[in-house]
Amino acid sequence: EPEVTQTPSHQVTQMGQEVILRCVPISNHLYFYWYRQILGQKVEFLVSFYNNEISEKSEIFDDQFSVERPDGSNFTLKIRSTKLEDSAMYFCASNEGQYYEQYFGPGTRLTVT
Amino acid sequence: GEDVEQSLFLSVREGDSSVINCTYTDSSSTYLYWYKQEPGAGLQLLTYIFSNMDMKQDQRLTVLLNKKDKHLSLRIADTQTGDSAIYFCAEGYSSASKIIFGSGTRLSIRP
Repeated sequence: EPEVTQTPSHQVTQMGQEVILRCVPISNHLYFYWYRQILGQKVEFLVSFYNNEISEKSEIFDDQFSVERPDGSNFTLKIRSTKLEDSAMYFCASNEGQYYEQYFGPGTRLTVT
Repeated sequence: GEDVEQSLFLSVREGDSSVINCTYTDSSSTYLYWYKQEPGAGLQLLTYIFSNMDMKQDQRLTVLLNKKDKHLSLRIADTQTGDSAIYFCAEGYSSASKIIFGSGTRLSIRP
């Protein structure tokens, strides 16, 4: 069964460093998303992406964040200068577009020290 | 505004039914979901209900929707140890829109 994959599973970085989190959505899907979950808190929407542009973003998704689909398979989230409060589990999801279900990847745990 | 609320913990005896409750504020939600998150794992869609439905049954799972009170519940019949997880209630507005999650209910099973 096709699935969303994410790499790395765990990333440790120092405050102020740039990180890139990578996702490979399901191949025929058209909509892509990033969510994050700070430990013990809700899963929060960050951004959605369709047709090579951002379709919606939350107030969390400020200028420090960017997304890209550099080729036909990868979908990346870049955090330009990480802060301690960026430590969280980051989930990628994809959706075919016609149906309701968003398929989530296993997540990348980002730890900022 | 968009807000989804759930109680944080639920403990049930193995074999009993579990009922996890959720309230939401946005009446324009079209889809209401239940996701399961096992320790260290991602989010797995368990079931969903469209806002024009009152009930949906899927094997051991029963979803009830009271649209007037904006109340959603998930009943798990014959709860097993494998059902231990965090259960998230969530809402969406269209097939491709963002999903708004509740805070999650941690279900623990006692022997």
